[in-house]
Amino acid sequence: DAKTTQPPSMDCAEGRAANLPCNHSTISGNEYVYWYRQIHSQGPQYIIHGLKNNETNEMASLIITEDRKSSTLILPHATLRDTAVYYCIVRAFGGGADGLTFGKGTHLIIQP
Amino acid sequence: SAVISQKPSRDICQRGTSLTIQCQVDSQVTMMFWYRQQPGQSLTLIATANQGSEATYESGFVIDKFPISRPNLTFSTLTVSNMSPEDSSIYLCSNNRGLTDTQYFGPGTRLTVL
Repeated sequence: DAKTTQPPSMDCAEGRAANLPCNHSTISGNEYVYWYRQIHSQGPQYIIHGLKNNETNEMASLIITEDRKSSTLILPHATLRDTAVYYCIVRAFGGGADGLTFGKGTHLIIQP
Repeated sequence: SAVISQKPSRDICQRGTSLTIQCQVDSQVTMMFWYRQQPGQSLTLIATANQGSEATYESGFVIDKFPISRPNLTFSTLTVSNMSPEDSSIYLCSNNRGLTDTQYFGPGTRLTVL
């Protein structure tokens, strides 16, 4: 799997949009971008994933650049409960037999 | 999304003993995965467990230390053997679901070894 680079920490004010960047410059054509978060030692929670088109679900939006070398996870109206470590992971399509390779992630702190 | 449960949720164990962690999934899955998260660190894959065959271990993890069972398509166990304080970690299981094999995680087992 390709490696990803994320800032170690970010702050965001409650109620504002939180934009979390991720660089994956060596991503291959068949690799998806996945985002997970981990709230204080709980199991990681799946947020969203995408291949090349922007994606949106009830939790977040994922914006992938046209060259696919970077992406941004957007939490549109951050709340205190969104404070967590956010992991950006790339993984090949059809990698059902493969575990995930976690980097250090971004510790997002939502400020009241 | 999958419903994955783990038992125990936490335990405190003595050095030299062993602990078996159970992972139950609410529907049949082919692959299950076990991860370790040491204090302040990210998750590291221990092994992949496929029903009916021996688990496949990642570099740095061996079967004698972390034996895994996978007796059916909804259940797996991980044993942490001959524990030392360095084994104090959160242990998590996971499985893949859906067309793109999105991976879902259990709540984790927090292990403290004294």
